[in-house]
Amino acid sequence: AQTVTQSQPEMSVQEAETVTLSCTYDTSENNYYLFWYKQPPSRQMILVIRQEAYKQQNATENRFSVNFQKAAKSFSLKISDSQLGDTAMYFCAFMKHLNFGNEKLTFGTGTRLTIIP
Amino acid sequence: DSGVTQTPKHLITATGQRVTLRCSPRSGDLSVYWYQQSLDQGLQFLIQYYNGEERAKGNILERFSAQQFPDLHSELNLSSLELGDSALYFCASSDRDRGETQYFGPGTRLLVL
Repeated sequence: AQTVTQSQPEMSVQEAETVTLSCTYDTSENNYYLFWYKQPPSRQMILVIRQEAYKQQNATENRFSVNFQKAAKSFSLKISDSQLGDTAMYFCAFMKHLNFGNEKLTFGTGTRLTIIP
Repeated sequence: DSGVTQTPKHLITATGQRVTLRCSPRSGDLSVYWYQQSLDQGLQFLIQYYNGEERAKGNILERFSAQQFPDLHSELNLSSLELGDSALYFCASSDRDRGETQYFGPGTRLLVL
């Protein structure tokens, strides 16, 4: 079974600064996907970024980027130029790749990020 | 807007009752997943349906059941409700041919009194 660990329950950072959220995972799979989801106070789960394990290049989406270290089983999220709207709970998630169909997500416990004006 | 809809948004009921949560996936998505988010258990996978058939089961109680209909919408039935069933229930959908990313609905907040 896969496990996802987020060791930072809470973080805070000043607006416009850069912050990095950590995530480690444990799996014996070679093909998988990793995701960061954001859950703002509205409780909606919003996809932030995704990474395919077979890709060496780190994924980026505007101000969001990841540092994917497959050998170390590490998947951190960097938020640049942080904005007040980035205040949310951030979940790291793992999904095994299947040849047929789709697979469930396994989530970490989340990191509560607060952006300070 | 993810394209996944869930109804109702909020549900308040009493212990011992039965409720049905409904989910409509994104247009064309064949897979539907149900997740439960509670304070003590975090986000947990309950069950997955693919094109009308049960594909995988997670930590779903026997009091809970689900189905996916021919139009691909899904329902999660929770019966003999207990206080501990109070949680946020999410539905997500995805399709392999459109990438495996799961998109979540807004959730149904269930409060059992």
